[in-house]
Parts: sequence; structure tokens; C-alpha cells
Amino acid sequence: DTGVSQDPRHKITKRGQNVTFRCDPISEHNRLYWYRQTLGQGPEFLTYFQNEAQLEKSRLLSDRFSAERPKGSFSTLEIQRTEQGDSAMYLCASSVGGQDTQYFGPGTRLTVL
Amino acid sequence: QKEVEQNSGPLSVPEGAIASLNCTYSDRGSQSFFWYRQYSGKSPELIMFIYSNGDKEDGRFTAQLNKASQYVSLLIRDSQPSDSATYLCAVNDNTDKLIFGTGTRLQVFP
Repeated sequence: DTGVSQDPRHKITKRGQNVTFRCDPISEHNRLYWYRQTLGQGPEFLTYFQNEAQLEKSRLLSDRFSAERPKGSFSTLEIQRTEQGDSAMYLCASSVGGQDTQYFGPGTRLTVL
Repeated sequence: QKEVEQNSGPLSVPEGAIASLNCTYSDRGSQSFFWYRQYSGKSPELIMFIYSNGDKEDGRFTAQLNKASQYVSLLIRDSQPSDSATYLCAVNDNTDKLIFGTGTRLQVFP
């Protein structure tokens, strides 16, 4: 299967702990996106990369959040000092270019206790 | 603020009927439009994309775009119980990220 993969699929953590999620995009996709989805809402954009360059960050992304895409391949999203409000599904998507179709991974469901 | 509006539903249709899902968007500069299907607890799965005014058909699905009215719709013909899911409308704005609606929940009953 050459789709987008994410790891872990589920994460339960205690408030104040740091967590890191990984996303592996479809090979040869230059764009990689992170979204967050809470119950009853559509996904909300967090940030995206063109190869290794982070091109845009949403105002939703506080300074506790950081994302990287070293070497333009996989990406990590780290949340420091987690809060209960961070509980959500974190979705990764990739596309060939900017206006092209974005394909989503299975998501990482984060629960902060 | 750029917005995408959808009726949250639920939209209930009998098996075999046509389901019509609608979406409006606020940014006139938007260029590409997508419909994703999302089953409960799963991630969004692409159903259709459309870039030009008019209709685009793919199997039982037809996407319709009217840029003048800032309106996108998805028709599902011969609806099946397996089509029961939340349908997300998404618009690609000029900065290349997707703006999603809150989704319409579709229920197809036998």
C-alpha cells in the first residue's frame, strides 16, 4: 500500500506531557499538510510543507506545536505541554502540488487526560 | 474569514433514491473543490474533485459547480446503506490549503 501512513494511530497522554506524531506521505508527493479535527467539525488546517520548507502555519498552531519535515520526506508534529483542549484527531495529507488533490492518512487520535 | 457552509443534517434517504448534498463557499477566488466521505472514526476519503463550472460524473456520483453562485453540490444516485457517512465539502483557497465545511451526515435506510 503506497498511501499516506501515520503513527501512532492512537495516543493517550496526561496533561503536561509532550507527544510526537509521524506522517509518511505518498512517495513523490511534494506537499505535506497537517490538519486537526474535533468531533462534529470539519478538519482545520494547521500547517504545510513544500518539500522540507514549512510554508504556512495557522494561527491555531500555538507555540506549543512544532512541525518538521527533514529532507522533504516524512514529517513530525510535536505538541509540548499537552492540554485537554488538544484532544482531537490529527490528520496528515499529501499532494503532488498546491492545487492538487490531497490524500489523507488514517489519522492519529489524541486523548489528553 | 473564508468559510464553507454545509447543512449538518442528518439527511435521510431511502435505499435506491438520489441523495443531494449542498455546499456554499465565501471566497470567490477559490479554484478547486472537493468532496470527501468520512465514516465515523475514520479519516476523510476523496470522492470527487471539480475545477470547472458544470457537472462532473463518476459512477453513481455527480459533482456540480456554479462559481457565479459560489455553490457546489454532490448527487449520489441509487443510494446504498453503505453510503451512510458524513460528506465533507472542501475548497482549496489561493494559499493551497483546504477549507472544510462541518460536513453533512447522510443516512440511507433500507
